[in-house]
Amino acid sequence: SQELEQSPQSLIVQEGKNLTINCTSSKTLYGLYWYKQKYGEGLIFLMMLQKGGEEKSHEKITAKLDEKKQQSSLHITASQPSHAGIYLCGAGPNAGGTSYGKLTFGQGTILTVHP
Amino acid sequence: DSGVTQTPKHLITATGQRVTLRCSPRSGDLSVYWYQQSLDQGLQFLIQYYNGEERAKGNILERFSAQQFPDLHSELNLSSLELGDSALYFCASSVGLHLLGGYNEQFFGPGTRLTVL
Repeated sequence: SQELEQSPQSLIVQEGKNLTINCTSSKTLYGLYWYKQKYGEGLIFLMMLQKGGEEKSHEKITAKLDEKKQQSSLHITASQPSHAGIYLCGAGPNAGGTSYGKLTFGQGTILTVHP
Repeated sequence: DSGVTQTPKHLITATGQRVTLRCSPRSGDLSVYWYQQSLDQGLQFLIQYYNGEERAKGNILERFSAQQFPDLHSELNLSSLELGDSALYFCASSVGLHLLGGYNEQFFGPGTRLTVL
């Protein structure tokens, strides 16, 4: 089965600093989702990447899927306290698979931003 | 607000009991997914329904069952509860059946926190 490993597990940065979170898959990624979660709350959809080399941005957050489609990175520019939370990557089923909408998630990266 | 609603928000019960968690998907979404989030296991997929039919199953225990009704809301039934079932249970919904392609993002509800004493 597909496994996702996120690094780092936790990150503490000063407000205004840039940061990167990585998500590495044990298999080729055919759909990679990034979510943000406030502790004990629901997941907020950030972005979805499908094509190798694809890059998407939303406000100060940019996500990329590498050409070989086994790793994705999430980059936050000029971090703010509002960026604090848990970032989770989720992968969709492999091409040709029958797992439909099952998402497999990484263990999450806890981001703390100090003002 | 994702548009997905879940009730109740919190549930405290005893071992051996049975509970029902309810989910209403976003308007127009046909797929409903259930996930369990715990500290030791992380976020785990349980089951997916599409337009009333079960379509995918994950690590769902036999003591757990779910269904999706004609109005598309879904219920997750947990029975013979054990201490280890304490977790956050999330419902998510999407427009279509498959993840790939456009506009099939999964939108998550706020979750139900289940505590088994």
